[in-house]
Amino acid sequence: SAVISQKPSRDICQRGTSLTIQCQVDSQVTMMFWYRQQPGQSLTLIATANQGSEATYESGFVIDKFPISRPNLTFSTLTVSNMSPEDSSIYLCSVEPPGLYNEQFFGPGTRLTVL
Amino acid sequence: GEDVEQSLFLSVREGDSSVINCTYTDSSSTYLYWYKQEPGAGLQLLTYIFSNMDMKQDQRLTVLLNKKDKHLSLRIADTQTGDSAIYFCAETAPGGKLIFGQGTELSVKP
Repeated sequence: SAVISQKPSRDICQRGTSLTIQCQVDSQVTMMFWYRQQPGQSLTLIATANQGSEATYESGFVIDKFPISRPNLTFSTLTVSNMSPEDSSIYLCSVEPPGLYNEQFFGPGTRLTVL
Repeated sequence: GEDVEQSLFLSVREGDSSVINCTYTDSSSTYLYWYKQEPGAGLQLLTYIFSNMDMKQDQRLTVLLNKKDKHLSLRIADTQTGDSAIYFCAETAPGGKLIFGQGTELSVKP
């Protein structure tokens, strides 16, 4: 498996501000994913972040709102920009560790509340 | 398109078996997964099954796959109060992403 940490674990933010969420993995991984879980809902993929290339965004998500960085094989950030209360969610990163084909592991999540 | 459906709630008594059901639409999915999410926690990968298998057993967990009906189930034997959580089924989609169901909240009563 992989050990994944996220920072912050939770935050309360004001409308119109931005928050950057960090995801750190204890091993080098090629594929890293960012998901959103709105209150009482399932998980929805925001984007796929592979090192050395631009992130690929899912329908309904755009780079201006959710810019992603992937500077190396163990780290990624997701920024939630110009936040509104509708952005209140849990944001989770996940990875597919090398050698564990099709086993995807999730970080503990960042619980964001926007006032 | 891709869609995964689950019933929202299941309540069982401690010691009974729990069966959580899931239907999916993408017949090209190669793997199907069950994840567990405890209150305030992230997702824990419980088990997964390759699409050419009918059944997979792992201790108290049994996964059954009916590929013809696109139906997946998770059976938990001897359910304990610690099994109370939300259980998500998920299927693979192109690019490695996962498509999740809505989650089934399992409540285990003593």
